Amino acid sequence: QSVLTQPPSVSGAPGQRVTISCTGSSSNIGAGYDVHWYQHLPGTAPKLLIYGNNNRPSGVPDRFSGSKSGTSASLAITGLQPEDEADYYCQSYDSSLSALFGGGTKLTVL
Amino acid sequence: QVQLVQSGAEVKKPGASVKVSCKASGYTFSTYYMHWVRQAPGQGLEWMGLINPSGGSTSYPQKFQGRVTMTRDTSTSTVYMELSSLRSEDTAVYYCARVVPTIWGGYFDSWGQGALVTVSS
Repeated sequence: QSVLTQPPSVSGAPGQRVTISCTGSSSNIGAGYDVHWYQHLPGTAPKLLIYGNNNRPSGVPDRFSGSKSGTSASLAITGLQPEDEADYYCQSYDSSLSALFGGGTKLTVL
Repeated sequence: QVQLVQSGAEVKKPGASVKVSCKASGYTFSTYYMHWVRQAPGQGLEWMGLINPSGGSTSYPQKFQGRVTMTRDTSTSTVYMELSSLRSEDTAVYYCARVVPTIWGGYFDSWGQGALVTVSS
């Protein structure tokens, strides 16, 4: 059971918009710790998608965006493409500076 | 460019230990903390701890305390993660990941390719 809660799965048709939530508590996200997002394809290393709640590393399309409010954060993907099908993880910290991961969300592009 | 190259797959028997290496290149090794993260089959990512390559200090979550040891060799820019008393539930892909520090917690900008550790009798 992960401290950060994500929906196990989301789906959308090509071109649509989907969002993935990440719910924490006052001990982690709500305490002010940043939320970061990773895309993980089977057999590969996770890839940084969003850092510092809403920043995209160079090379990440602007179809991906992040937001944070209170004890939760969200990842939004617009203009869904088949290659977006992957697992997505949020990550933050707790007061002991232990890294926390969400349980992961499997995105299916219909 | 930043590269983290890990050692290969391992098969171990229950009760044994495994030591996975992660060789860093393309940046100043001592400048960035290194973390270890694992993913068991069908499960999510799990944080195992961190090492400061500069001084060698470590931090482990309670779940792994007493079983995990992270070390580094600054002469070869390599960090190591040793997990002891292996059990079947430790079967997983183990990743090293470099963290970029921020005021409110850092993010993992570079990852190793992963090392599969299989624990089986």
